Amino acid sequence: DTAVSQTPKYLVTQMGNDKSIKCEQNLGHDTMYWYKQDSKKFLKIMFSYNNKELIINETVPNRFSPKSPDKAHLNLHINSLELGDSAVYFCASRDRTKETQYFGPGTRLLVL
Amino acid sequence: GENVEQHPSTLSVQEGDSAVIKCTYSDSASNYFPWYKQELGKGPQLIIDIRSNVGEKKDQRIAVTLNKTAKHFSLHITETQPEDSAVYFCAASSHGQNFVFGPGTRLSVLP
Repeated sequence: DTAVSQTPKYLVTQMGNDKSIKCEQNLGHDTMYWYKQDSKKFLKIMFSYNNKELIINETVPNRFSPKSPDKAHLNLHINSLELGDSAVYFCASRDRTKETQYFGPGTRLLVL
Repeated sequence: GENVEQHPSTLSVQEGDSAVIKCTYSDSASNYFPWYKQELGKGPQLIIDIRSNVGEKKDQRIAVTLNKTAKHFSLHITETQPEDSAVYFCAASSHGQNFVFGPGTRLSVLP
């Protein structure tokens, strides 16, 4: 069974559109993250949610909004998509009492 | 904030040789240092980690060393195999918060 899953795996869309990426973890973790990996492979944290509360927002544009309907899900909504948003977005989760993060398979977003 | 540097950016070794990747960090409060392997088209997978109260940790062909005084840690892979080819990332964290990743090392193991 997949521990951290993301949908969709690929997302191709036009500039200006609004899109969402979904993440689910079945590990019972209480902390979830969104990372962005650019074309040079740099991995940068965007958001962290702990028990449905945002605890990190690394100066991400407010066009990006994470939403956590429950502890097992952390979705990422992106409004007014721009060319520079093209990247791979990874979801990750962690048990708050341990440090290890588990990553999802990634969502490859291409904005045309 | 924390800054993590990683070298080299690319590394090619012959199958059977050893590979070493080095990272430095800036925040002395960091106490957890994981290493991730990312294969093409996949998410990063944890391969080994070390905490600041330990100087070295080994798991079969993989080992990590940590020098807290110098603020650097290294990944050592012995007897490399073609399936070790991937991008490797180091990271630093303080008590599991605020993970900062290095820029990655693309390792190629040549048969």
